[in-house]
Order: sequence, then structure tokens, then C-alpha cells
Amino acid sequence: SAVISQKPSRDICQRGTSLTIQCQVDSQVTMMFWYRQQPGQSLTLIATANQGSEATYESGFVIDKFPISRPNLTFSTLTVSNMSPEDSSIYLCSVEDAPDTQYFGPGTRLTVL
Amino acid sequence: GENVEQHPSTLSVQEGDSAVIKCTYSDSASNYFPWYKQELGKRPQLIIDIRSNVGEKKDQRIAVTLNKTAKHFSLHITETQPEDSAVYFCAASSGGNSWGKLQFGAGTQVVVTP
Repeated sequence: SAVISQKPSRDICQRGTSLTIQCQVDSQVTMMFWYRQQPGQSLTLIATANQGSEATYESGFVIDKFPISRPNLTFSTLTVSNMSPEDSSIYLCSVEDAPDTQYFGPGTRLTVL
Repeated sequence: GENVEQHPSTLSVQEGDSAVIKCTYSDSASNYFPWYKQELGKRPQLIIDIRSNVGEKKDQRIAVTLNKTAKHFSLHITETQPEDSAVYFCAASSGGNSWGKLQFGAGTQVVVTP
């Protein structure tokens, strides 16, 4: 399966600031996704990162709060904007390595004070 | 949209016993059902998956069964070991026009006691 890395692995941020999370894959993949996992909870899809076009957001998530870039087939970023303590979560990227088969990055643990 | 329910939320088993986790889904168009294992502080790891044209799939001590008519699927772990302790998530995807989007269950905390 593809090797996926994320930066940073963790961060502590002040409310009102923004954080950009990077996801790098060692091979070209068509589909990349961003998920949020709140403490002790399941995984919730934020958006599909589309290469060369705007991301597709799920209900409850908007571009102004979670802008996403996908400049090529191996890289994507997720920005968490104007953060509040409620944004404290683990943010994970995933890639579709084979039809329907998703593998996850190591995650970014975000704490907002 | 798809809704996936997962039971039980916690499961305690003695080492060597079997563990079974059950999930139901709502969208009859769903055709791909993966299971992920997440150890504390780690990423979710794909452990087994099944597609709608298959009723059962095995991989060593783990197996997944699918009942399309009843819209439920289950994970079976036999001869459990302490390293099986983790949170397990089921998921469902309708692929195709859903662009591979996964809808996850709430998770099952499995604790295997020696």
C-alpha cells in the first residue's frame, strides 16, 4: 500500500489562529480524503480533495473553515481556520490505493486553547 | 445518505475466546465494507474488507460475513490474543457516484484479558 505522511504530527494552537496540515503520498493517487476524529469518537469525512478543482465538502463542513488544496496527485493540505477549542481533534488524510480501498495517514493531533 | 450502526460499543473477551462485532447499513446501493483496527494513538489500519458479490471472507484468525438481504455484516475474530485489543470500526461505501466515500460505524472497544 501507499506510504502516507502528515505534518505536523501534533500541534497546540491558540484560538482564532489557523493551522495548515500537509499530507504527502509516495505514489500518485486519484482520490485523497480528509477526516476528523474527535476524542473518543469515530471518523467523519470532511471533504474529498480533488486534483485540479475545488474540494467536495460533506454536510456540516465549509470551505471558509476548512480550505483544502490539491496541487498534484501526491500532495494535499487542509487548513483549519479561525480555530476554537471545539476544533481540537485528530485530522487524518486518506488515499484510495485501489478501487474503494482507503489507507490512512498517521494523523495530526490538534489541541486548541 | 448512508447510515452505519455498530454493536456492541464495548466487548470484553478472555484470551482464546471468539469476538463478534455486528454492523448494519441503510443504503442498499452500498457494495464495499471494510473493517479498520485502531490501536491507541495510532492510525486506523485496514484489516479486512468484503464486497457485495461475496458472502464471506477469511484471513487467518479474522473473517467477515455479509448478508445483503438483511443489510448487515459482521467481523469475527477467533482465538483472540491480547494484541487484538483495540477499537474496531466498520464502514460502508457505495463507490461509483459516491467517489469511494466511507461512512463509519461508531466503533467497538475490544479488550482481550489474559
